[in-house]
Amino acid sequence: AQRVTQPEKLLSVFKGAPVELKCNYSYSGSPELFWYVQYSRQRLQLLLRHISRESIKGFTADLNKGETSFHLKKPFAQEEDSAMYYCALERGSGAGSYQLTFGKGTKLSVIP
Amino acid sequence: ETGVTQSPTHLIKTRGQQVTLRCSSQSGHNTVSWYQQALGQGPQFIFQYYREEENGRGNFPPRFSGLQFPNYSSELNVNALELDDSALYLCASSRRDRTDTQYFGPGTRLTVL
Repeated sequence: AQRVTQPEKLLSVFKGAPVELKCNYSYSGSPELFWYVQYSRQRLQLLLRHISRESIKGFTADLNKGETSFHLKKPFAQEEDSAMYYCALERGSGAGSYQLTFGKGTKLSVIP
Repeated sequence: ETGVTQSPTHLIKTRGQQVTLRCSSQSGHNTVSWYQQALGQGPQFIFQYYREEENGRGNFPPRFSGLQFPNYSSELNVNALELDDSALYLCASSRRDRTDTQYFGPGTRLTVL
């Protein structure tokens, strides 16, 4: 069975400091990995997915299959980055459904 | 483009009762997934609907059931409510394409007393 682990429940950094939110996964197949973000009083929304290789709001994430990791990074944290971040893995089942498996989330707090 | 909407926003029920939650998918989307998010946890996959049929299910008992309608909207029904069913229930819609993204609704907060 697939699993996503986010080891940090809470991460506090100062404004302008680098940010790294850790995500490790276990999955026997070829994973599709995502980072979702939830800002205060807003719905869960996609931040980035590894297949698109985009940089969104200055965040990047590289899939490391050897270490089974998909850490989220940003060189300089901004106050508006304070939010709940979820790493998620998508697999297709035999029936063709594309279900997401989420980690427990990391709350990022950027200190002014 | 209309986003995913869910109703009601909040709901309070007592143990043993039944509840129905509703979701309208985003325009152009034909697949709906439901997730349960307990306090302090990430969302957990309940099931997915495509072409009005259940198409994939997570580790949830049969008292969790659903429907999808021809307009792609969906319902989640939970029978014989238990205290542990208290959670935020999220609906997500997407196109039938693995490259597409799941777009989430705001959720329904269910409290079981």
